[in-house]
Amino acid sequence: GAVVSQHPSRVICKSGTSVKIECRSLDFQATTMFWYRQFPKQSLMLMATSNEGSKATYEQGVEKDKFLINHASLTLSTLTVTSAHPEDSSFYICSAKTSRGGNEKLFFGSGTQLSVL
Amino acid sequence: DAKTTQPNSMESNEEEPVHLPCNHSTISGTDYIHWYRQLPSQGPEYVIHGLTSNVNNRMASLAIAEDRKSSTLILHRATLRDAAVYYCILRGDFGNEKLTFGTGTRLTIIP
Repeated sequence: GAVVSQHPSRVICKSGTSVKIECRSLDFQATTMFWYRQFPKQSLMLMATSNEGSKATYEQGVEKDKFLINHASLTLSTLTVTSAHPEDSSFYICSAKTSRGGNEKLFFGSGTQLSVL
Repeated sequence: DAKTTQPNSMESNEEEPVHLPCNHSTISGTDYIHWYRQLPSQGPEYVIHGLTSNVNNRMASLAIAEDRKSSTLILHRATLRDAAVYYCILRGDFGNEKLTFGTGTRLTIIP
């Protein structure tokens, strides 16, 4: 099956620094990628949807200046957490799909555990 | 978005079948029923999806009610590796394709 690679798997940073998370589709072209965050023992919360070559669409309540998303190619999307603070500590997960339509399944990365000190 | 309702948790004995229910009474005609599962500290994994007819694959079976207001994920012979949180999600067709996760069912497998 299709593979989505997410890197890094774990990152620890100081408060105020920025952290970049990469999401790559290894063997397919991803027209759309989604970014989620998940707090302990909670479900995934959709943050934003990004389509290659266009601006990301953010869900209500998600600060677009805080969470910068770039989807510059059909195989790579990045999420940058700018000026991270302890409350940004969470599990971030990306997913990708190959084409439009609800009949398409999503492929997920293995997630990035962000800890902000 | 149409919502789904699942039991918070279920237990099953190893090597026995497991039936995970999901209610989606407000499903629209173009919504696909997707199931994903998430093992601890990992991203979700696709299990199965369908529209109207029952579906089978190597991982599981999906039984969809005739009125489509409910569905059941069937694991035919549970193993310890099937312990995970299972999410039942409705996914719209063109223009509304994002996956919105509910709380899911935490499945515990008893050896």
